[in-house]
Amino acid sequence: DAGITQSPRHKVTETGTPVTLRCHQTENHRYMYWYRQDPGHGLRLIHYSYGVKDTDKGEVSDGYSVSRSKTEDFLLTLESATSSQTSVYFCAMRGQQYGYTFGSGTRLTVV
Amino acid sequence: AQTVTQSQPEMSVQEAETVTLSCTYDTSESDYYLFWYKQPPSRQMILVIRQEAYKQQNATENRFSVNFQKAAKSFSLKISDSQLGDAAMYFCAYRSSNYGGSQGNLIFGKGTKLSVKP
Repeated sequence: DAGITQSPRHKVTETGTPVTLRCHQTENHRYMYWYRQDPGHGLRLIHYSYGVKDTDKGEVSDGYSVSRSKTEDFLLTLESATSSQTSVYFCAMRGQQYGYTFGSGTRLTVV
Repeated sequence: AQTVTQSQPEMSVQEAETVTLSCTYDTSESDYYLFWYKQPPSRQMILVIRQEAYKQQNATENRFSVNFQKAAKSFSLKISDSQLGDAAMYFCAYRSSNYGGSQGNLIFGKGTKLSVKP
C-alpha cells in the first residue's frame, strides 16, 4: 500500500556475478533513490534519478550502475559483485514537498 | 557539503520513562528540513517527525517531540512514556530546501540503536 516495492527481498550471490535489484513505484513520482545501509554508516546514497533516463551519482556509486527506462522502475545493477557490496539496499521515492517513502529493503549477501 | 552526526550509537531507556536522542548537523544553508526516521527489526523506514528550519516552533507528534536549536545546529528527539515498540534504530536526516538535482537528497546520520527495558 506504500506505493513502492523492491525485489528481491533477500539474495545471495557469488563474487564476480552480475546482480540487478528492482524498485517499482506506482505514484508517478519523478525522484527516486538507491541507498545502502551498513552498520556504523547509516544510509548512504548510491545513485538517484530525477526522471526517465536522468540519473546521477551519489556518495558511494563506485561499482554500481542504474537505469530508469520508465517512471515507475528504477534498477540498480552490480556489474560484478564483490564482498564489500554485501549490504542492505533501500529504494526510495520523493513525493510532494518533502515526503519520502522507502521500500522494504533488499538484503544482499555476496559470498 | 552537509553532514549529520549522531553521537550516541546506542541508548537504553526504561519502559514509561523519557529518553532523548541527539543529532547535530552542519550546513551553510539557512532553509532546510530535518527528519527523524525509525527503523524497527522489520527494516522498514518509518518517518517519526519532521521539522522545517524556518519554523521556530518545535514539531510534536504524540509522544515524540523535537528540540530544534537552529543556531546550535542541533535537532534532538525526545520520546516520552517509552514503549517496548519504540525499540528500534533511529536515524536523523537532513535535506536542503532546494529541490533540484542532488540538493533534494536525504543525508543521514549513522543512527542510534534504542533499547527499551520492561
